[in-house]
Amino acid sequence: GQQVMQIPQYQHVQEGEDFTTYCNSSTTLSNIQWYKQRPGGHPVFLIQLVKSGEVKKQKRLTFQFGEAKKNSSLHITATQTTDVGTYFCAGPGTYKYIFGTGTRLKVLA
Amino acid sequence: EAQVTQNPRYLITVTGKKLTVTCSQNMNHEYMSWYRQDPGLGLRQIYYSMNVEVTDKGDVPEGYKVSRKEKRNFPLILESPSPNQTSLYFCASSYYGVGGNTEAFFGQGTRLTVV
Repeated sequence: GQQVMQIPQYQHVQEGEDFTTYCNSSTTLSNIQWYKQRPGGHPVFLIQLVKSGEVKKQKRLTFQFGEAKKNSSLHITATQTTDVGTYFCAGPGTYKYIFGTGTRLKVLA
Repeated sequence: EAQVTQNPRYLITVTGKKLTVTCSQNMNHEYMSWYRQDPGLGLRQIYYSMNVEVTDKGDVPEGYKVSRKEKRNFPLILESPSPNQTSLYFCASSYYGVGGNTEAFFGQGTRLTVV
């Protein structure tokens, strides 16, 4: 069945360093969503990408959708302690979204 | 305020004792779903509902039941809970259109422990 893989599973960075998480799908996606879950919290929607090669920015966060629409990345520039949490990508399946396993980011001050 | 409300937030129960986790949304979303979150496994869909009286299995439906009698409510029922259902549960809702779902709104989560 359709799978959405995410790497790395964990990442520890020093505050101020950059961070990237990658999402790969076994099938072509019509769109991809990204969510952030703070420790002890619930997933919160960040963004949806639709077009091949699309790049969107939200302050220090840069989201990319691959040309083949099978992969995506989230890059955070100069991480801050407020970036701590788990980042999930989600791709549409049949009548549902399939979530990646998530990347847990820890930022060391 | 747009929200998805889950209750209870925390629950400890014994094996075999039926329980219901409630979920309610105030955004008039057609689509609602339940997920469980386990370490290293991400969010796995249990059941989903496209609209009132329309429900279907997700990836891990065994041991769970749902119902959708009203558009706003989507309760999750564990008829005979077992320890392997100890997990963090999330309810979510969204619109569902031609291009798929719009952004999902998640409830606060229910941490269930079955002993």
